[in-house]
Amino acid sequence: ETGVTQTPRHLVMGMTNKKSLKCEQHLGHNAMYWYKQSAKKPLELMFVYNFKEQTENNSVPSRFSPECPNSSHLFLHLHTLQPEDSALYLCASSQTREGNQPQHFGDGTRLSIL
Amino acid sequence: GQNIDQPTEMTATEGAIVQINCTYQTSGFNGLFWYQQHAGEAPTFLSYNVLDGLEEKGRFSSFLSRSKGYSYLLLKELQMKDSASYLCAVVDSNYQLIWGAGTKLIIKP
Repeated sequence: ETGVTQTPRHLVMGMTNKKSLKCEQHLGHNAMYWYKQSAKKPLELMFVYNFKEQTENNSVPSRFSPECPNSSHLFLHLHTLQPEDSALYLCASSQTREGNQPQHFGDGTRLSIL
Repeated sequence: GQNIDQPTEMTATEGAIVQINCTYQTSGFNGLFWYQQHAGEAPTFLSYNVLDGLEEKGRFSSFLSRSKGYSYLLLKELQMKDSASYLCAVVDSNYQLIWGAGTKLIIKP
């Protein structure tokens, strides 16, 4: 139990579907992150929220749309995805946005695009 | 560019010692993390080094040499449950985390 919960754990969707990934942290942290993890590649940072405000968008395609309604919840809305978007999507949180704070990860959502 | 290098895969025997190396070239340095990730699970924090030297935590130790751009994670008395991927990540001058691709460690009986 890491204190960060992601749902669903697995998701299969067609390229025309719309779905959302959910993340919730119970650690009282102020920063939350979305990462993409593909096999044998480094973690790719997608979005960062600090105190509910988006502070970073690392050139992520618009078919990925994040939402952070409060410091404990983070969503990733998906639409018109491509097969190359199939990956493990990890949510993480940390006390502050400072990079030298350990990040706490959820177990991820394994996404498969048909 | 910024780069983190670590071996893709390593194999070791139960009860033995293994050292996983990480070399980095980054724009500045503000610390280095090691994370453990079991298959299908969340990466979990193992260690953070910001000063040169060895930090020991039970069976796991992490070493840093800033002048050489080098770190290693040392695992002693290996157990089957240590089979996992080990991720190295460096904090650069902008306090951004730069991640390595991870080292998959396979423990054999």
